[in-house]
Amino acid sequence: AQSVSQHNHHVILSEAASLELGCNYSYGGTVNLFWYVQYPGQHLQLLLKYFSGDPLVKGIKGFEAEFIKSKFSFNLRKPSVQWSDTAEYFCAVCGTSYGKLTFGQGTILTVHP
Amino acid sequence: ETGVTQTPRHLVMGMTNKKSLKCEQHLGHNAMYWYKQSAKKPLELMFVYNFKEQTENNSVPSRFSPECPNSSHLFLHLHTLQPEDSALYLCASSQGSGTKETQYFGPGTRLLVL
Repeated sequence: AQSVSQHNHHVILSEAASLELGCNYSYGGTVNLFWYVQYPGQHLQLLLKYFSGDPLVKGIKGFEAEFIKSKFSFNLRKPSVQWSDTAEYFCAVCGTSYGKLTFGQGTILTVHP
Repeated sequence: ETGVTQTPRHLVMGMTNKKSLKCEQHLGHNAMYWYKQSAKKPLELMFVYNFKEQTENNSVPSRFSPECPNSSHLFLHLHTLQPEDSALYLCASSQGSGTKETQYFGPGTRLLVL
């Protein structure tokens, strides 16, 4: 089986602050990793994904995430957040042998202007 | 974003009712999914269909009955539900059902069981 843990349930920042949202997973094999985002009133949508290669992946809207295999982590970062980044962020993992996408509990990000 | 639509958006039902949730995808995808999102819990995968065939049933109680008549439509038939089944039910689709697929989500149906 596999599981995903997002450490922060709710993060509150001011505009221009830097962001890092933690994501750790448990799975013994090769994994594919995803961050999804849900803006207020909108559908869940893909922010970025990692399959292989460069462990630092860049997504939409200036977001990036780093896969650290030794730490089983895939943290999401953004150097300078904007009010429009207010949303709920979900980390998800799919073990290549497990075959099913498993989501974390989500982190609500509130950015104050 | 209208790639994946779900109806109804809100549903209130009694424990003895029978209702159905509908999902339709306009993306030409071959795989469709049902997820349950309860308050303060992660999204839980319920069912996976690939080319209309059910490939995953994640130990879901039989009071939830999925149906996939074609690759564009997915239903979730509900009967004799319990109050703890109240949740947001999300439908998703993807091109295939492989482990690298990006899933596209609908807006969800907010279900309340009284």
